[in-house]
Amino acid sequence: EVQLVESGGGLVQPGGSLRLSCAASGFTFSNYNMNWVRLAPGKGLEWVSYISTSSDTLHYADSVRGRFTISRDNAKNSLYLQMHSLRAEDTAVYYCASSGNYFLGFWGQGTLVTVSS
Amino acid sequence: DIQMTQSPSSLSASVGDRVTITCRASQRISSYLNWYQLKPGKAPKLLIYAASSLQSGVPSRFSGSGSGTDFTLTISGLQPEDFATYYCQQSDSMSWTFGQGTKVEIK
Repeated sequence: EVQLVESGGGLVQPGGSLRLSCAASGFTFSNYNMNWVRLAPGKGLEWVSYISTSSDTLHYADSVRGRFTISRDNAKNSLYLQMHSLRAEDTAVYYCASSGNYFLGFWGQGTLVTVSS
Repeated sequence: DIQMTQSPSSLSASVGDRVTITCRASQRISSYLNWYQLKPGKAPKLLIYAASSLQSGVPSRFSGSGSGTDFTLTISGLQPEDFATYYCQQSDSMSWTFGQGTKVEIK
């Protein structure tokens, strides 16, 4: 069974940092591109970042570029999102999701990040 | 970025109803359009990819159509487990963008 399990969320002050992790199982992680997508309270889904299978291609939403860094460790079947300079508007449930080239096939259940003083 | 506009933002329907949700792209995206279902506390679920292809395991009452800029998700015979929020998403160009969502509620 395919499983994606996010962790690392929590309460952080504005300007702070947090590192999210996503543990993958039940499929060949190294064969799939991976993404982070977020759902802010009262808002819609927002794609955040993309990483290719071998980490040679990275993409970021304009709203997080320069503050967030996506990475992966294929040996550990894990995806990461390092977040710096966090703002109130980054408050959201963060999902990791696998993708081919064109759609988000499998998703985790998400981890909540709250940015507040 | 390509803007995706969904309508309606919410709707009330009864079990057994036929429900249609539309999604319009701000520029032509061929068939690079996907549909997802969100329920609180659960992992989002891919329903339809490439505008009209049903994801494995998704009931056949879900269908998608359209190309270019106008797309539709149809649920033929709404079931109790279908009450959820639905999102369209374009994958024609990075960065991928979603519609604002359509919440399907029980009438």
